Amino acid sequence: EDKVVQSPLSLVVHEGDTVTLNCSYEVTNFRSLLWYKQEKKAPTFLFMLTSSGIEKKSGRLSSILDKKELFSILNITATQTGDSAVYLCAVDTGGFKTIFGAGTRLFVKA
Amino acid sequence: GAVVSQHPSRVICKSGTSVKIECRSLDFQATTMFWYRQFPKKSLMLMATSNEGSKATYEQGVEKDKFLINHASLTLSTLTVTSAHPEDSSFYICSAAGQTDQPQHFGDGTRLSIL
Repeated sequence: EDKVVQSPLSLVVHEGDTVTLNCSYEVTNFRSLLWYKQEKKAPTFLFMLTSSGIEKKSGRLSSILDKKELFSILNITATQTGDSAVYLCAVDTGGFKTIFGAGTRLFVKA
Repeated sequence: GAVVSQHPSRVICKSGTSVKIECRSLDFQATTMFWYRQFPKKSLMLMATSNEGSKATYEQGVEKDKFLINHASLTLSTLTVTSAHPEDSSFYICSAAGQTDQPQHFGDGTRLSIL
């Protein structure tokens, strides 16, 4: 059975800290790995990763994929209170089938 | 770009009512739209996948007669929760994708409360 596992499930940090969120997966067919940020409403798209070892960056956020180890990390540097959210990792297995992890709930204290 | 609009954002109604939720892709043509359900502090659970002009594909355990999905055009899909009961109360989210190699973009979700 295809699965996506995220860790930790929750995390509390102070403003300015750097955090690393983990995502591992086991799927029959892999097309891409996606990261989303979910605040009070629906998820917003952050990154899509298809190739190993190529880091994607957007401001203080960055992500990288290791297809050999079936693993991805999402880094957030110099965290701010506005980064508090649930971060979802998902794997597109093709045919528009996307498997979501349970999410990591991040809380950044002022 | 890639804006998905979902309406309404909040519904409160009595048990037995049918509720229709609309999902529109505003600036792209969505080949496929997805409907998810999310329980508090849980991840997204895919309910069904719909392609324009064809019947929706439902995930195991999702009652197709209970959750009617219509994908009438490349920019509009609707989910109707028929004869809703309190156990149907949840956060329903739609997403849309234009092509298979593009990420899904989500609507803002509909919080459904059945009294």
